[in-house]
Amino acid sequence: EPEVTQTPSHQVTQMGQEVILRCVPISNHLYFYWYRQILGQKVEFLVSFYNNEISEKSEIFDDQFSVERPDGSNFTLKIRSTKLEDSAMYFCASSEAFVQFEFFGPGTRLTVL
Amino acid sequence: AQSVTQLDSQVPVFEEAPVELRCNYSSSVSVYLFWYVQYPNQGLQLLLKYLSGSTLVKGINGFEAEFNKSQTSFHLRKPSVHISDTAEYFCAVSSNRDDKIIFGKGTRLHILP
Repeated sequence: EPEVTQTPSHQVTQMGQEVILRCVPISNHLYFYWYRQILGQKVEFLVSFYNNEISEKSEIFDDQFSVERPDGSNFTLKIRSTKLEDSAMYFCASSEAFVQFEFFGPGTRLTVL
Repeated sequence: AQSVTQLDSQVPVFEEAPVELRCNYSSSVSVYLFWYVQYPNQGLQLLLKYLSGSTLVKGINGFEAEFNKSQTSFHLRKPSVHISDTAEYFCAVSSNRDDKIIFGKGTRLHILP
């Protein structure tokens, strides 16, 4: 069965450092997403990406965040200068079609110290 | 704007008993509705979704949900739960105008032996 993969599974970083979270979506999918879940809270939308550009983003997704699909297979989320409140589980998702939202990755747990 | 309300943060149920997890939504446009399950220390798995058609939707692991437009609800049900159903369950909403889904706060299903 196809699956979305994410690396690393756990990332620990110092406040102010840059981090890149990596996702490999399912190969024929066209829509890509990042969500995050702060411990004990609900899952929050960050950004959606289609046709090599951001299609929608939330208030959380400020100038410190960026996304990229550098090589046609990976989909990355970069946080330029991490804050303590960026500590969360980050989920990547991909879809073959609009509003399918079927496949989520296992998540990357980001811990900012 | 869309929103999802899961009134019950925790639901304790005896093994082999039926369960209903409640979800109500708010939207000014036609909705798509989803239920996801998150097992301990794992990612999100789609249980079922309603896009259109029959209001009774059957999903994986014996779960089903019914879309009720007049009551703006999408409650999740299972006739007989097992210990393996212990998890957090998230209701989510989207529409044909949004390239994102909005999650509820989740309901923790606790199966009692």
